[in-house]
Amino acid sequence: EAQVTQNPRYLITVTGKKLTVTCSQNMNHEYMSWYRQDPGLGLRQIYYSMNVEVTDKGDVPEGYKVSRKEKRNFPLILESPSPNQTSLYFCASSRRATLTDTQYFGPGTRLTVL
Amino acid sequence: RKEVEQDPGPFNVPEGATVAFNCTYSNSASQSFFWYRQDCRKEPKLLMSVYSSGNEDGRFTAQLNRASQYISLLIRDSKLSDSATYLCVVNLPNFGNEKLTFGTGTRLTIIP
Repeated sequence: EAQVTQNPRYLITVTGKKLTVTCSQNMNHEYMSWYRQDPGLGLRQIYYSMNVEVTDKGDVPEGYKVSRKEKRNFPLILESPSPNQTSLYFCASSRRATLTDTQYFGPGTRLTVL
Repeated sequence: RKEVEQDPGPFNVPEGATVAFNCTYSNSASQSFFWYRQDCRKEPKLLMSVYSSGNEDGRFTAQLNRASQYISLLIRDSKLSDSATYLCVVNLPNFGNEKLTFGTGTRLTIIP
C-alpha cells in the first residue's frame, strides 16, 4: 500500500531532550517536507527536500534539523525541544519536486514538550 | 494581510443542503490552487485541484476567480460524511522557488 508513515504518533517529552521523528514513504517520491499545524495558524512548512541530499528551510525552521540520506526517509530532529514546539507535525511527499503534484501526508505526530 | 484567508466557520448545515465557502489569496502571481480535506485528528488529503475554467467532481464544484483573487468550493446534496475541515491551498511563486501556502481551514459539520 502506497503510504507515508511517521513515528512516533504521539510523544510527550521534556525541554531539552533531543528527539527524532521519522518519516518514510514507499512511493519513490522526490519531494518531501515537514509541516507543523497549530490552531489558528494552519499548516506551516518547516523544511523541505527536493531530492536526496538536497534540503532547504521552509517558513519556520528554527529549532529543527532534517536530513535526506535516502530517498524514502526524511527524519525531523529537535536537538533541544522547547514548549513552543508543542504541535501536530505532518510529513508529506509528492512525486516530483513541483508543488502542483498531489501532496501525500503522513498520519501526523502529536508532540508535547513539557 | 494573510497570504491565504478562509472563513474558519464552523458551518453547520443540514444534510442534503448546498454549502459554499470561499478562500482569498493575496498574491496575484499565484499559479495553482487546491482544496484539501482534513478529518478530525487526521492528515490532510487532496480533495480537488482548482482549474481556471472551474471544475466538478461529483457533488463538488471548484471555481477560480483571478480578478478578485478567490477560489470557492461548492458542495451539493451534502452528506454526513462531508463533515470535515476544508483547507484552501495556494501555490505561490517565491523568488524562483515555489511555495505551498495553506489556509487555516473552514470547519463544516453536516447535521442529520
